Amino acid sequence: QSALTQPPSASGSPGQSVTLSCTGATSAYVSWYQQHPGKAPKLIIYEVSERPSGVPDRFSGSKSGNTASLTVSALQADDEADYYCSSYAGSTTLFGGGTKLTVL
Amino acid sequence: QVQLVQSGAEVKRPGASVKVSCKASGYTFIGYFIHWVRQAPGQGLDWMGWINPNTGGTHFAAKFQGGVTLTSDTSISTVYMELNRLRPDDTAVYFCAREARATVANFDYWGQGTLVTVSS
Repeated sequence: QSALTQPPSASGSPGQSVTLSCTGATSAYVSWYQQHPGKAPKLIIYEVSERPSGVPDRFSGSKSGNTASLTVSALQADDEADYYCSSYAGSTTLFGGGTKLTVL
Repeated sequence: QVQLVQSGAEVKRPGASVKVSCKASGYTFIGYFIHWVRQAPGQGLDWMGWINPNTGGTHFAAKFQGGVTLTSDTSISTVYMELNRLRPDDTAVYFCAREARATVANFDYWGQGTLVTVSS
């Protein structure tokens, strides 16, 4: 299966928006996970753009062609974390390498 | 509330086996697939495979075929992941995760993770 490629790092200032990319996502079943250091990943987006209950609407997902994107609006200090995309690939699941988001 | 509680950290010698448990509560155990994901120190997430706790059916990523066994005990709502012939590069945190219903590859609840250290 093709790999999912994410930029290793991204940054933004509090209140700004930042968009993280994930290339190689050919499926409609793209998810995004947020992981703080030493913690388990947390689902924040599924099926490209759906938000689980309890996830703020500051997090939004989209997809164009084979590139999925996660936009985090109105950045807050607690948004500083690693973000992973995943994609369904016919009975298997692929994860991207992750993007470390720094809130300046 | 839904919870997945994993067993504690393990230290193993190369060549040994390790069995990690993942106990589910707060939902109908047999209704949801359980997946396993590992994370080597400082690295990203690596999907290993899944088990259908109802049927015992499993599926693995190619790199884990033959080296990982997933089983379930429905009487105690627990899934087990056994990793054989351990090598130092198997040192990682191992997570179990529930796959949400009516969708695929969407992991809505995760265990807290189990650190497995392989060292001589």
